Amino acid sequence: DTAVSQTPKYLVTQMGNDKSIKCEQNLGHDTMYWYKQDSKKFLKIMFSYNNKELIINETVPNRFSPKSPDKAHLNLHINSLELGDSAVYFCASSRWSPGTDYDSGANVLTFGAGSRLTVL
Amino acid sequence: KNQVEQSPQSLIILEGKNCTLQCNYTVSPFSNLRWYKQDTGRGPVSLTIMTFSENTKSNGRYTATLDADTKQSSLHITASQLSDSASYICVVSARDDKIIFGKGTRLHILP
Repeated sequence: DTAVSQTPKYLVTQMGNDKSIKCEQNLGHDTMYWYKQDSKKFLKIMFSYNNKELIINETVPNRFSPKSPDKAHLNLHINSLELGDSAVYFCASSRWSPGTDYDSGANVLTFGAGSRLTVL
Repeated sequence: KNQVEQSPQSLIILEGKNCTLQCNYTVSPFSNLRWYKQDTGRGPVSLTIMTFSENTKSNGRYTATLDADTKQSSLHITASQLSDSASYICVVSARDDKIIFGKGTRLHILP
């Protein structure tokens, strides 16, 4: 069973469209994340949710709206897509929660396989 | 400012050779340091995790070291294999829950 699964794996769309990427984890983790990996392969945090609550929002344009219906799912919806949104988007999860022992390794991230978004 | 710097940016070695990747960080207060391997087209996968008190940790042919005084870590790969071709990312966690990623080292193993 895949631990963190993202769909779709590939997404090609026109500028101005709205699209969603879905993520599900079956690890029982409390925290989920969305990362963006640009063409230079640098991973940058976008959002983090802990038990369905937003805890990190790293100055992402408000065209990006994450939604967490439950702690096993974190979906990413993008409105009015722009060329610069082309990237690979990674979902991740971890056992970490606020107050978790910092040295327990709880914040080791388990990543999904990525969703490659191409905006034409 | 919390930063993680990795070197070299890319590395090419012959199959069977050893190599060492470097990670320097300025993250404070430090919690732990992890090395991830990211194969092309895949998500990163954790190789090792090291806390403040740990100097060395091995995972098969991968050995990570940590010097918390100089804020440096290295990942040594022994007897490289073609399947080691990947990006290796150093990730440092701070005690205020921030996770800081390095930009990675792209390793190419040639047959």
